[in-house]
Amino acid sequence: NAGVTQTPKFQVLKTGQSMTLQCAQDMNHNSMYWYRQDPGMGLRLIYYSASEGTTDKGEVPNGYNVSRLNKREFSLRLESAAPSQTSVYFCASSEDGGLGYEQFFGPGTRLTVL
Amino acid sequence: AQSVSQHNHHVILSEAASLELGCNYSYGGTVNLFWYVQYPGQHLQLLLKYFSGDPLVKGIKGFEAEFIKSKFSFNLRKPSVQWSDTAEYFCAVNALGDDKIIFGKGTRLHILP
Repeated sequence: NAGVTQTPKFQVLKTGQSMTLQCAQDMNHNSMYWYRQDPGMGLRLIYYSASEGTTDKGEVPNGYNVSRLNKREFSLRLESAAPSQTSVYFCASSEDGGLGYEQFFGPGTRLTVL
Repeated sequence: AQSVSQHNHHVILSEAASLELGCNYSYGGTVNLFWYVQYPGQHLQLLLKYFSGDPLVKGIKGFEAEFIKSKFSFNLRKPSVQWSDTAEYFCAVNALGDDKIIFGKGTRLHILP
């Protein structure tokens, strides 16, 4: 099992460009999450999907959109990138977030917006 | 709303020293508690978790944590640290029934050889 995979690993964008971060899990998990990690700020939840067909905003959703394409895949889209979105982005999945199961994390995407 | 506070942002210890990292959360109901570790350049991995039962939980690599409900605390401990424990440690809380986990801001641990 690959666990949680993310693409790309690195990306550089110019202000105003758009891009989609891809995430897939092969553990048949119901819940999936997108976080951003910034120095001194810990992990902040951007969006999550408790189950296939549902998505909800987290702590810092502005400037982002998500799509739960199917049970395996959960993508994060930046429509018009801004320098404030320079960060490391982690995708995670959980068997059932509502029951408190642990989250499994992907390797991350390091995004720089110039 | 839930929140998690980690008291130390940066801790420096020598090898073989004992470790205790503080974590407090704010939520009045039933919680599930976690400690995650992030080694340099890697993603987060679960170190240990508390769901119910014995408040002293043991995790991987000799780590343990104690849940003290009256103090809303879940401190992480290790009797003797190693250089390989150099990493960032995150405490996290999940309110039972909530789909989300709330993470603390993390503690960077640096072990001197």
